[in-house]
Amino acid sequence: GESVGLHLPTLSVQEGDNSIINCAYSNSASDYFIWYKQESGKGPQFIIDIRSNMDKRQGQRVTVLLNKTVKHLSLQIAATQPGDSAVYFCAENKRQAGTALIFGKGTTLSVSS
Amino acid sequence: GAVVSQHPSRVICKSGTSVKIECRSLDFQATTMFWYRQFPKQSLMLMATSNEGSKATYEQGVEKDKFLINHASLTLSTLTVTSAHPEDSSFYICSARDATGTDTQYFGPGTRLTVL
Repeated sequence: GESVGLHLPTLSVQEGDNSIINCAYSNSASDYFIWYKQESGKGPQFIIDIRSNMDKRQGQRVTVLLNKTVKHLSLQIAATQPGDSAVYFCAENKRQAGTALIFGKGTTLSVSS
Repeated sequence: GAVVSQHPSRVICKSGTSVKIECRSLDFQATTMFWYRQFPKQSLMLMATSNEGSKATYEQGVEKDKFLINHASLTLSTLTVTSAHPEDSSFYICSARDATGTDTQYFGPGTRLTVL
């Protein structure tokens, strides 16, 4: 079936570096995409979202890029900090349909000082 | 921001017993809530969609008689794991959809279930 996946299961960076986490999705009908951060033993924490009518959205230290042509989503974290260490998931759905979010496999980000 | 709570946060039970997990939206009304299960080092897998006042919709492979879902009010959904088995040990997470505002889904902190 259709699903949201991720290119890399782990990413290790040095403190202060920029991090890029990638995600590939397969459902062309999805129009809403979200990045979540999950720390061990906790629920997912919303980071940033983007709708399909946009190709870029910026937040505080984070940027999400959407390339609908190749069905690719990325999360960029600027000046990565040790507190950013967590598992990052992308998720998708058809927002107006009120459907559940479908999650990708997750990328573990490790930030060393 | 909107808050979703889950209770209990951790539960240990014996095989064969039933466990109830509550999911509450604390400051908004949620006509729809979702239940996910997450095994170690894996992603969240959708189990069921719970709509207030109606029967839940279960994903393929999820036994509706084993995972009973009740969504009796706009702020509360419960998941009951019946006749629990060690294979049911997992992290259960709910999310609630705010239908009156931005239509965003908010996640609870999760419930760690361990079946001995």
